[in-house]
Amino acid sequence: QKEVEQDPGPLSVPEGAIVSLNCTYSNSAFQYFMWYRQYSRKGPELLMYTYSSGNKEDGRFTAQVDKSSKYISLFIRDSQPSDSATYLCASYSSASKIIFGSGTRLSIRP
Amino acid sequence: ETGVTQTPRHLVMGMTNKKSLKCEQHLGHNAMYWYKQSAKKPLELMFVYSLEERVENNSVPSRFSPECPNSSHLFLHLHTLQPEDSALYLCASSQRRGGPEQYFGPGTRLTVT
Repeated sequence: QKEVEQDPGPLSVPEGAIVSLNCTYSNSAFQYFMWYRQYSRKGPELLMYTYSSGNKEDGRFTAQVDKSSKYISLFIRDSQPSDSATYLCASYSSASKIIFGSGTRLSIRP
Repeated sequence: ETGVTQTPRHLVMGMTNKKSLKCEQHLGHNAMYWYKQSAKKPLELMFVYSLEERVENNSVPSRFSPECPNSSHLFLHLHTLQPEDSALYLCASSQRRGGPEQYFGPGTRLTVT
């Protein structure tokens, strides 16, 4: 079983829709949960991260962690064509290296 | 130049060649990383340097040899590579080793023929 699992997509939604991206993880020791965005021909960039359970909001983006079910989510409100990218979730604990999911490719149709 | 830069952006090499990838960070960070990104696979951490000292080597074959001459520069020396080594090689840096915020360069697209 992979430590962090992510549906590769692709996911295609119309502009303005709410997007839900999800990951599951297996290591209950993970404490930090991150979302990176990677545009074509670019390196990943950190969107946001949370520590332990709960929600974190930044503009149109909301990250959610449910440690009881080992589920990580990223919600994008009012999606824009510029949000089209691959989204990588990642997790780690103080005793481990960062483990990345394989990424979900998202396309927002104008 | 700002952020993390990598050169070259594209590299094609034969299996008997020797080449080097270069990474430079302009962020004043203390930790630097090499990752391998293959299609439809998760990012694989290869090497970690903290304050110019190699602190992690994740079972990477010896045909990959890292070098960190100072906290701003990181190299990956390549020799006798295999076609399965073709991938995007990403360099990243962070303020300290182990933090969640890593800043990535654009990567070097490597093709081994």
